Amino acid sequence: DQQVKQNSPSLSVQEGRISILNCDYTNSMFDYFLWYKKYPAEGPTFLISISSIKDKNEDGRFTVFLNKSAKHLSLHIVPSQPGDSAVYFCAASRIVIQGAQKLVFGQGTRLTINP
Amino acid sequence: EAQVTQNPRYLITVTGKKLTVTCSQNMNHEYMSWYRQDPGLGLRQIYYSMNVEVTDKGDVPEGYKVSRKEKRNFPLILESPSPNQTSLYFCATRRVNTDTQYFGPGTRLTVL
Repeated sequence: DQQVKQNSPSLSVQEGRISILNCDYTNSMFDYFLWYKKYPAEGPTFLISISSIKDKNEDGRFTVFLNKSAKHLSLHIVPSQPGDSAVYFCAASRIVIQGAQKLVFGQGTRLTINP
Repeated sequence: EAQVTQNPRYLITVTGKKLTVTCSQNMNHEYMSWYRQDPGLGLRQIYYSMNVEVTDKGDVPEGYKVSRKEKRNFPLILESPSPNQTSLYFCATRRVNTDTQYFGPGTRLTVL
């Protein structure tokens, strides 16, 4: 049962344009959402996050939007740069016991920025 | 420098030969976990540890063991590896009551 889904395995975008990566989730108990970026031969690195009480969080070129009613979040990258080419994982978090938060990841979307 | 290290980075082994993948962190984080990454499945949690001597199963614990005798180390043990454990493994750490995890560089394991 895939609780967090990224339905696009890959995405190709022209440099300078907007990249939009999408993520859907099924469990309404998730209360925090994160995006991780992964380059080949490296571990994932944290990019940006959003609490379930917000609908938007912005950090430089990166903005995450959350639509709780649709159980959908998206990551916008504007403008896209060649260094943004990577695999992006969406993740959702919920508290399971005091102090323990379970993180569930999506399948990942490979973003390629073309010069 | 804040670091999560894993060893080995690459390993090819044969079915049934016990192996250990080590994970070490220098950030004094209480929470550590192991994930495996497989094509089309993303990252799935194997085991996690809330603190020393406190461990619990994640989503795919079968065939794996862990121990947490020291805060900085969280080794992943495969007592009798099988080909379906061929995967890319990541160790991750975070401070309790925060959401941001810090990942190691990964260990690519092939079981023949």
